[in-house]
Amino acid sequence: DQQVKQNSPSLSVQEGRISILNCDYTNSMFDYFLWYKKYPAEGPTFLISISSIKDKNEDGRFTVFLNKSAKHLSLHIVPSQPGDSAVYFCAASGIQGAQKLVFGQGTRLTINP
Amino acid sequence: DAGVTQSPTHLIKTRGQQVTLRCSPKSGHDTVSWYQQALGQGPQFIFQYYEEEERQRGNFPDRFSGHQFPNYSSELNVNALLLGDSALYLCASSLGTSNWQPQHFGDGTRLSIL
Repeated sequence: DQQVKQNSPSLSVQEGRISILNCDYTNSMFDYFLWYKKYPAEGPTFLISISSIKDKNEDGRFTVFLNKSAKHLSLHIVPSQPGDSAVYFCAASGIQGAQKLVFGQGTRLTINP
Repeated sequence: DAGVTQSPTHLIKTRGQQVTLRCSPKSGHDTVSWYQQALGQGPQFIFQYYEEEERQRGNFPDRFSGHQFPNYSSELNVNALLLGDSALYLCASSLGTSNWQPQHFGDGTRLSIL
């Protein structure tokens, strides 16, 4: 039972344009959502998070949007840079107040010059 | 500011053996969680330690056990290794067990079972 899904295994975007990564979840008890970036041979790096009481959170080039009615969140990167090429994971937590993270399968983002 | 550190970086074991992986949390953090990441998948939660006790556990058998020390560092032990235990093992730390605290990850230990 995949409670957090990233349906696009890969995404290719031109440098300078907007990258949009999507994530869907099935359990309405999740109340905290995070995005992580992962380079090869490194651990996931925390990027940005959003709680269920908000619908948008912004940090520099990164913005996360949450649509609770659709159980959908997205990460926008503007403008995209070559260093953004990595695997991006969305994660969710909060069932029964627990900190346990439930991850999607990841989306490989490639930024083309 | 030291981040999460894990050792060793790589390990090769054979079926039936036992293994111990180690983790030091990010400076100032007191909670450690362990995750298993199979190739092409997202990390799967194993368990979490806080105040030297296991607080939460994922769907992993009792062969997986852990420990947290008074200095907040932690160990993950796996007994009777199976081929399917081959994976990247990630340690994450946070401050407290509040749900709204982001977890910060180490670079992992790559475990290969022959």
